Amino acid sequence: ELKVEQNPLFLSMQEGKNYTIYCNYSTTSDRLYWYRQDPGKSLESLFVLLSNGAVKQEGRLMASLDTKARLSTLHITAAVHDLSATYFCAVDRSNFGNEKLTFGTGTRLTIIP
Amino acid sequence: DAGVTQSPTHLIKTRGQQVTLRCSPISGHKSVSWYQQVLGQGPQFIFQYYEKEERGRGNFPDRFSARQFPNYSSELNVNALLLGDSALYLCASSLTGWGPEEQYFGPGTRLTVT
Repeated sequence: ELKVEQNPLFLSMQEGKNYTIYCNYSTTSDRLYWYRQDPGKSLESLFVLLSNGAVKQEGRLMASLDTKARLSTLHITAAVHDLSATYFCAVDRSNFGNEKLTFGTGTRLTIIP
Repeated sequence: DAGVTQSPTHLIKTRGQQVTLRCSPISGHKSVSWYQQVLGQGPQFIFQYYEKEERGRGNFPDRFSARQFPNYSSELNVNALLLGDSALYLCASSLTGWGPEEQYFGPGTRLTVT
């Protein structure tokens, strides 16, 4: 059974600081997604990573994928308050005949002014 | 262009009742997936449909059922509601549901079972 774990589960950081959220998964996959969720809202797609070594950046967020280590990271640079949200990674094993997404536990990020 | 739409937005039901949730995918998308998100957890896969056929089913009891219509909209039905069914139910659509496609999520239906 595929397991997807994120750490930390909770992260409180000051504005202007850098930090990294980690997403580990237990079974081979080369497709990984990052989503953002604001309280009471739906999921907003942030990044789609489709191969080993993939790196994508948008604003203060950068995501990478290491399929050999079964690890993805979401790096936050010079955090601002607007980035406060819960972040989920989700593993896609559709190339193994399993079309569903398996989500991680989520990381609740709070940016303190 | 309209995104994924879901109805109703909120719903309050009593234990033992039945509920139907509705989802309309993005125009041109033929695959719809349903996820349950319990407060404080990540979404869990319930069903995926493509061209009116069930393509995948998660680890949920038979009280959960779904169907997809010729216009690719979908309904999720839950019978004999339990308190534990209280959650945000998310619908996601994609072109075919196969391969490295992005899934686009709707706003969700918040179900409260009392």
